[in-house]
Amino acid sequence: VLTQSPGTLSLSPGERATLSCRASQTITDNYLAWYQQRPGQSPRLLIHGASTRATGIPDRISARGSGTDFTLTISRLEPDDFAVYYCLQYATSPQLSFGGGTKVEIK
Amino acid sequence: EVRLVESGGGLVRPGWSLRLSCEASGFNFNKHALHWVRQVPGQGLEWLAGISWNSARIGYADSVRGRFVISRDNAKASLYLQMHSLRPDDTAFYYCAKDVFNGAIRLFWFDSWGPGTLVAVSS
Repeated sequence: VLTQSPGTLSLSPGERATLSCRASQTITDNYLAWYQQRPGQSPRLLIHGASTRATGIPDRISARGSGTDFTLTISRLEPDDFAVYYCLQYATSPQLSFGGGTKVEIK
Repeated sequence: EVRLVESGGGLVRPGWSLRLSCEASGFNFNKHALHWVRQVPGQGLEWLAGISWNSARIGYADSVRGRFVISRDNAKASLYLQMHSLRPDDTAFYYCAKDVFNGAIRLFWFDSWGPGTLVAVSS
């Protein structure tokens, strides 16, 4: 089970966002990805392997973690960053699972 | 350009069956695993099922195992989700998604998604 916190993060543009994804069991090989979903859109891949940015993702978006604790950080929020973020574990293939999501909203 | 387009959604009654399809183009369909993910409007993402490129490896979420069946037809570049005994809590947008690796024997993360198709289960 993946637990994301907080459920909602209220911040202003330019601020730093720190999102957490905690697993109930160790995620082997750092098999964890992060996705962003803007309203009315399909999710977009941000991070895989716990810390590797996907193609085209700016370096103000970073991620780290291992074992059971993972973090996504957006260093300076821009208008397009206000969205919902999900972590996905694929360590237990062929069964995968998402976290419940964190909404980053404009304060 | 990778393109995934879901179809087959609609309004159905509780207890009915429905088959969703996902037509793919723009990549080597025969060599990529694929997944189904759903999202109740206004709620989070739920991974439902995944199938390896050769259908040898299939996984399901506990919530749908035994009611939903994932399959693929590589000759038609199509992915399917057969859903049985539908319930009102199956009402959601259903997305297909492409696994990242070519020829992998296990499931990994997804790098492309379709726009989704809405399934509504109501009497």
